[in-house]
Amino acid sequence: NAGVTQTPKFQVLKTGQSMTLQCAQDMNHEYMSWYRQDPGMGLRLIHYSVGAGITDQGEVPNGYNVSRSTTEDFPLRLLSAAPSQTSVYFCASRTSLSSYEQYFGPGTRLTVT
Amino acid sequence: GQQLNQSPQSMFIQEGEDVSMNCTSSSIFNTWLWYKQDPGEGPVLLIALYKAGELTSNGRLTAQFGITRKDSFLNISASIPSDVGIYFCAGIQGAQKLVFGQGTRLTINP
Repeated sequence: NAGVTQTPKFQVLKTGQSMTLQCAQDMNHEYMSWYRQDPGMGLRLIHYSVGAGITDQGEVPNGYNVSRSTTEDFPLRLLSAAPSQTSVYFCASRTSLSSYEQYFGPGTRLTVT
Repeated sequence: GQQLNQSPQSMFIQEGEDVSMNCTSSSIFNTWLWYKQDPGEGPVLLIALYKAGELTSNGRLTAQFGITRKDSFLNISASIPSDVGIYFCAGIQGAQKLVFGQGTRLTINP
């Protein structure tokens, strides 16, 4: 198993540009989520999904969209990037909402200029 | 917003020393988790605690679920260079969403 994979590893955007951060898992996990990590802030939940076709907002959803058309994939879209979205983004998955063992991807470091 | 207070924010120790860090909250949590993050990587689960008062070990790591359910502690004994990294606590409340502490950055001098 590859576990949780994320692409790209690094990305630089100009303000106003859009892009999609890709996340995939091959463990047949129902629950997937996106976090952003900023210095001194820990990890903050952006959006999550409890299964294909179901998504919900986390703690800091503004400026981000998600969709979950398959169990494996959970892309995160930035429609109009802003410097405040400069961060490291982590995708994570776990077996189900009631499972507490969550696996993280390697992260995407995004810089918005 | 952030509900977990993790301390200390950073630690500088000598190899072989023991390490203690903790996480506190004003809210009750049903489950406590401890993660470690190596540079350039995602966090990796170290220990999960499911019951108040529970004490769980994973090698040189020992974690405890506080009796009030509002805190948790992580101890690392006889630290080695590969223990360097950022340690995060995380708590789960009724909505099954993980809430993370700010992290403790551990640096070890050989």
